[in-house]
Amino acid sequence: KAGVTQTPRYLIKTRGQQVTLSCSPISGHRSVSWYQQTPGQGLQFLFEYFSETQRNKGNFPGRFSGRQFSNSRSEMNVSTLELGDSALYLCASSLSSGRGAYEQYFGPGTRLTVT
Amino acid sequence: AQTVTQSQPEMSVQEAETVTLSCTYDTSESDYYLFWYKQPPSRQMILVIRQEAYKQQNATENRFSVNFQKAAKSFSLKISDSQLGDAAMYFCAYSTPQGGSEKLVFGKGMKLTVNP
Repeated sequence: KAGVTQTPRYLIKTRGQQVTLSCSPISGHRSVSWYQQTPGQGLQFLFEYFSETQRNKGNFPGRFSGRQFSNSRSEMNVSTLELGDSALYLCASSLSSGRGAYEQYFGPGTRLTVT
Repeated sequence: AQTVTQSQPEMSVQEAETVTLSCTYDTSESDYYLFWYKQPPSRQMILVIRQEAYKQQNATENRFSVNFQKAAKSFSLKISDSQLGDAAMYFCAYSTPQGGSEKLVFGKGMKLTVNP
């Protein structure tokens, strides 16, 4: 079974631009979560989608948004980029009970650099 | 809000020896799940071991085992017979059915070095 894939793997953007990151979950997984990883803040939960609905959202500004398509693929968008948005963005998929019980399978991440 | 604390940012161990990574968490929930994830230098995060809070028996996966102390809210990971491939960042994580999602709350992580 193919793992979680994320595209692009690396991205360099300028302050004020917007960016869209893509995540394809493992086949059969309907839950997709996004995390931001930085040296200072560690791993922080952005949001989770299940069956095209946002089921939970972390404490991030409205510039961070996402969506999920009917095939469970997910995208996240960051508008008006700031230097502090430079991070590794990880996507994870899982079978979902809605109880937080299942293993999450992570993708390799997208390294975003904002200059 | 739930929090997860890993107080040791770095540890090192000799190959073939045993090392214990510590983790404490804070929650008012009685039903939750705890995880240890490993992130090798290649960056792909993988699950090491999982513990359900309602189970008193400590989880074990081959060379990896946990010491789960629910009253103390402690969840340590023991790695026996350490191997070079165990070198990685290790993250303790928590999730709960409250909220009906798969959200994970992570600790800051701990870098493990394995010396040959």
